[in-house]
Formats: sequence, C-alpha cells, structure tokens
Amino acid sequence: RKEVEQDPGPFNVPEGATVAFNCTYSNSASQSFFWYRQDCRKEPKLLMSVYSSGNEDGRFTAQLNRASQYISLLIRDSKLSDSATYLCVVNIRGGGNKLTFGTGTQLKVEL
Amino acid sequence: DVKVTQSSRYLVKRTGEKVFLECVQDMDHENMFWYRQDPGLGLRLIYFSYDVKMKEKGDIPEGYSVSREKKERFSLILESASTNQTSMYLCASSTAGTRHEQFFGPGTRLTVL
Repeated sequence: RKEVEQDPGPFNVPEGATVAFNCTYSNSASQSFFWYRQDCRKEPKLLMSVYSSGNEDGRFTAQLNRASQYISLLIRDSKLSDSATYLCVVNIRGGGNKLTFGTGTQLKVEL
Repeated sequence: DVKVTQSSRYLVKRTGEKVFLECVQDMDHENMFWYRQDPGLGLRLIYFSYDVKMKEKGDIPEGYSVSREKKERFSLILESASTNQTSMYLCASSTAGTRHEQFFGPGTRLTVL
C-alpha cells in the first residue's frame, strides 16, 4: 500500500466551479501535511500547509481528518490558472525533514 | 527569493557513462534532497543530506551516489548510467527545524540511451 494515495484524475471542471480532492495516508505517525502544486513541466511548489483545525487561503481550503487519516483540498471559484497537478505531501514523525509525496491529482479548468 | 539551480535542463547520456547532476541553492539551507519523478510513481527520494559531508539514503538509492562538499552544493552521481535511470531529476532544499517547506530546482530531464 502506498504511503500517500491520491486519485490521479484528471478532474475536468468549468471555470467558476468548486472542486475537492482527497488524499489518504497510511502512516499514523504522520505529523505534518501539505499541498504542493506542480504546473506542467515545472517544479513542485508549496501551495499550503494543512493544520489540524483546518485552514483557508483565499479560494483554497485545506482540512485534516486524523481519525480517518485523510486530508482534503477544496478550491472555490476555479480559475483557468488553477489547472495543475496537486500533490499531497506528508512528513512522518521521526523522519526528520523528509517528505513523502503522493502521485498527484490533475486538475483541468475549462472555459 | 530562494533559488535552487540545476546544472542542466536536458541531458542525454549513453548506457555505462558516469553522469553528474549538480544542484546549488543560495539560501544557506541545511537540508538538500535529490528526487526522481516518473509518471504514475510520483516523486521518489533518492538521497538527502542534512549537513556538509553528510548523506542519508532515501527510498531508492541503488545505482546512485551523492556528494556534499559545500553547504550550497549537492551532487548526484550515476556511476554507470542505465536505461531505467531515464527520468526527471529534481533537487530540493529546506531549512533545518520544524518548517518542512522544500524549494525545488527546475529539474533535469535525463535520457539514457
């Protein structure tokens, strides 16, 4: 079983739609959680950290459910520029600064 | 702005060649990482380093070695390149401590013929 699992998509949504991605992690010692964004043929970049109480950054909302071991990312009012691959990332306690990456969920926002 | 640079964007090598991939970061980060990224497999950690002259194996170290002689530079070495090492190689760096954000370089697309 993969340590971090994501639906690869693609999710094709119209501009202005709300879209949500889930990600599950298998290691209960996971302590820190992130969403990274990767544009086509570019490097990954941090989108946002995910906090236990949930957090919001503009149109983006991240949630963590430790009991069920999943995190989610909600994007409201999708823009064409949101088209990218979204990577779910965890840091495992005792793993130092190592991160474990999911394979990503592809989002395509269309006119 | 943090900047992580990699020596080449595209590289073509032949089977059996020794290959050096260089990575330099300009933010005095303690941690540096080498990943490879393949379709359907995501980013997989090859090696990482927490300090000069220190190295730790990641999840897929076989066929690779690394060198960190200076804090800002982390090199990935393919001693004898093979076709299954054709991939996108990404270098990253981060500060020590509890902040885990990693900053990535633009990647090197390596093709081994």
